[in-house]
Amino acid sequence: QVQLQESGPGLVKPSGTLSLTCDVSGYSISIINWWGWVRQPPGKGLEWIAEISHSGDTKYNPSLKSRVTVSMDMSRNQFSLTVNSVTAADTAVYYCARRGNCGGGNCYLNYFEHWGQGLLVTVSS
Amino acid sequence: DIQMTQSPSSVSASVGDRVTITCRASQGIGYYLVWFQQKPGKAPKSLIYAASSLQSGVPSKFSGSGSGTDFTLTISSLQPEDFATYYCQQYQSYPLTFGGGTKVEIK
Repeated sequence: QVQLQESGPGLVKPSGTLSLTCDVSGYSISIINWWGWVRQPPGKGLEWIAEISHSGDTKYNPSLKSRVTVSMDMSRNQFSLTVNSVTAADTAVYYCARRGNCGGGNCYLNYFEHWGQGLLVTVSS
Repeated sequence: DIQMTQSPSSVSASVGDRVTITCRASQGIGYYLVWFQQKPGKAPKSLIYAASSLQSGVPSKFSGSGSGTDFTLTISSLQPEDFATYYCQQYQSYPLTFGGGTKVEIK
């Protein structure tokens, strides 16, 4: 059973860099899948940030693209998120998640089925 | 970007009630829609994918329908554990986008 776990600092200073890692167990990130990040400001809705494929292809939300980078480390079976120049608006619970595969001529399983528990990151001085 | 609009934003209901939540996409997304349930302090949990397919392990009181731009999630008989916030999300194209959420509260 695949499990995901976010880690990183819970407090980041304004204008600094937010760096999070998602450790994956029970499944190899080198298998065909997309591995993504979603965030949720306190009391608000969900926002897709970015994702990376098993082969290293990346996709970014245009609203954040200039400040965000996703990467993966297959040797450690983990993937990471970096957000630069953070402000209070980046305060949120950050989730990592895995999307299912395409197959059989469609991508109906290509949704976020597995999620980490989430990590609250606060941007404050 | 494809905008996802959910309605209502909140609903008060009693145990045993039938509840229907609507999600509208700003352009056609075929069947590429997933419904999530989220409880306070927890990660979202998928309930329905491909608009109408029930996630394994999810009770059959949850059902989804629709295609193109208009979708619904129905809870046939609301139970105490169903009080939560529900989100729709399209995965037809980038950027992936979520609806604003529907909070189901106890009447």
